[in-house]
Amino acid sequence: GAVVSQHPSRVICKSGTSVKIECRSLDFQATTMFWYRQFPKQSLMLMATSNEGSKATYEQGVEKDKFLINHASLTLSTLTVTSAHPEDSSFYICSARPGLPYNEQFFGPGTRLTVL
Amino acid sequence: GESVGLHLPTLSVQEGDNSIINCAYSNSASDYFIWYKQESGKGPQFIIDIRSNMDKRQGQRVTVLLNKTVKHLSLQIAATQPGDSAVYFCAEKEAQGAQKLVFGQGTRLTINP
Repeated sequence: GAVVSQHPSRVICKSGTSVKIECRSLDFQATTMFWYRQFPKQSLMLMATSNEGSKATYEQGVEKDKFLINHASLTLSTLTVTSAHPEDSSFYICSARPGLPYNEQFFGPGTRLTVL
Repeated sequence: GESVGLHLPTLSVQEGDNSIINCAYSNSASDYFIWYKQESGKGPQFIIDIRSNMDKRQGQRVTVLLNKTVKHLSLQIAATQPGDSAVYFCAEKEAQGAQKLVFGQGTRLTINP
């Protein structure tokens, strides 16, 4: 149980285009989903926290207009990278949490974004 | 606290030996700690967790030790196997309000045959 999927696993796009990444909790309802970014040989950096039915909370320094997050249901959150540029190339990872009293987050397999 | 390291610390051990990976955390208000394993190109995989009211927890071949006095966390892996080669991250969660995890720098563990 507690499986989280991401789609696509890899995406290559041209500079200036927008890319949508989906995160799904397959066998549980996730009241909260998290989006992380990971650059090569670095740790995971939290971008935003997303609660179902409400606006996402972004971490300091993360542009909310550039990284649009939608958490429309208890099993799906999407991250849209708008007007992507090469510096947005990274590994994007989502996680989902079932809700209190559970502390654990379950991570997706990640999406490798390459912007040309 | 959050860390953005340019170079991952590395640890090489011989297959069959025990390994110890260390992590220093910054927030004394954290009440929950987790160790994750991340293989190349994959998401983090839960290994073991510990709450702040404990100082030791054991799993299968893994043990986590928590020293709140010096804000130090360690992961011990017994009888290492080639499949243990990966990057290991510690993560901490604040006790009140915040739901987010803060990841440590990570350590790359290489198991030599």
